Amino acid sequence: TQLLEQSPQFLSIQEGENLTVYCNSSSVFSSLQWYRQEPGEGPVLLVTVVTGGEVKKLKRLTFQFGDARKDSSLHITAAQPGDTGLYLCAGGYNQGGKLIFGQGTELSVKP
Amino acid sequence: NAGVTQTPKFQVLKTGQSMTLQCAQDMNHNSMYWYRQDPGMGLRLIYYSASEGTTDKGEVPNGYNVSRLNKREFSLRLESAAPSQTSVYFCASRMGIGGAREQFFGPGTRLTVL
Repeated sequence: TQLLEQSPQFLSIQEGENLTVYCNSSSVFSSLQWYRQEPGEGPVLLVTVVTGGEVKKLKRLTFQFGDARKDSSLHITAAQPGDTGLYLCAGGYNQGGKLIFGQGTELSVKP
Repeated sequence: NAGVTQTPKFQVLKTGQSMTLQCAQDMNHNSMYWYRQDPGMGLRLIYYSASEGTTDKGEVPNGYNVSRLNKREFSLRLESAAPSQTSVYFCASRMGIGGAREQFFGPGTRLTVL
């Protein structure tokens, strides 16, 4: 049973389109992180959100942490081919710094 | 600064063979982690070491053992490999024990068990 449900698992869109990826759980997390992974490499952190309702922006990417700290979303505006990759959400616990990862969203942006 | 390094990059084993995956970090991080990544399942935590001298089980520890050799190095051992352990293995490290800090990942080891 996946503790953190991420959707959609696959997304193929045209350059210039907008998209949203969702990350949902029945558990409360102390923090929520989003990572991006390219083929053959390890994940790299995009953002960390820690406060319920928090919104962070990173250029064309907008991240939101749910009020109850159980869910999060990633919105990309005007997607570009360079956004192609695997996006992973991860719920954080204070104990030992453990993370629980979602299944990942494989994003393909076609020119 | 190499960050997190893992060896080997690729490995093919036969069922029942043993091997150790090596991980080292040069960022003076306290905590280190071993994950496996399988298609459609994200990353799952195998074992972690919150600080030098301690190790704890994660979500999927069965069939694995770990050693925190010193602050820099954290190894993962498969005593008797099984086809179900075919996966990509990632080591990660982070500064500190508590709080929401970034985990830094190595490039991964792609393991196939025949």
